[in-house]
Amino acid sequence: DVKVTQSSRYLVKRTGEKVFLECVQDMDHENMFWYRQDPGLGLRLIYFSYDVKMKEKGDIPEGYSVSREKKERFSLILESASTNQTSMYLCASSFQPANIQYFGAGTRLSVL
Amino acid sequence: AQSVSQHNHHVILSEAASLELGCNYSYGGTVNLFWYVQYPGQHLQLLLKYFSGDPLVKGIKGFEAEFIKSKFSFNLRKPSVQWSDTAEYFCAVNGREGGFKTIFGAGTRLFVKA
Repeated sequence: DVKVTQSSRYLVKRTGEKVFLECVQDMDHENMFWYRQDPGLGLRLIYFSYDVKMKEKGDIPEGYSVSREKKERFSLILESASTNQTSMYLCASSFQPANIQYFGAGTRLSVL
Repeated sequence: AQSVSQHNHHVILSEAASLELGCNYSYGGTVNLFWYVQYPGQHLQLLLKYFSGDPLVKGIKGFEAEFIKSKFSFNLRKPSVQWSDTAEYFCAVNGREGGFKTIFGAGTRLFVKA
């Protein structure tokens, strides 16, 4: 079974803090994704990466950055957290971009 | 613009009722279609997918979906729901013309009464 592991299930941070969300997959997938999930809005793509050190902006990249130094790890960074970034963050990976995505359990981030 | 529209945000059914969740998409070219499901407290996971071939696809737990190209639709169906089908369901699409970026619908929360 593919396993996508997100480092935290719940995080509480203060406005202005730098926040790191980590994601690791164990299936040697080329592609990794970060989404945020908000009620009534579904999943919105923040960033994705199709190879080590490669990244592409998704639909809502503002206020976020990413890092992919190793194939199995994809990090999402909030440089200066704001209250409107309070959300559920989902990491996913896939063998090919068109193919099935495998999701982590999610990190529920609250920015106070 | 590429988009996915799910017709219902909340659906409440009694056990044994039939289910149909609507999904329409706007996406140029050849598409791949998916339904994902998120059970309470669990990961989002694949329910079924369509890449090509028979437009009627079957997934896990008795679910099926039909791709109707002329209607840009990929509706999810189940003849008889169970309490354990209570979950949130997401329709998704990707394709070459969009660089294979997957677009998700807003989701439909299904509650099945025992």
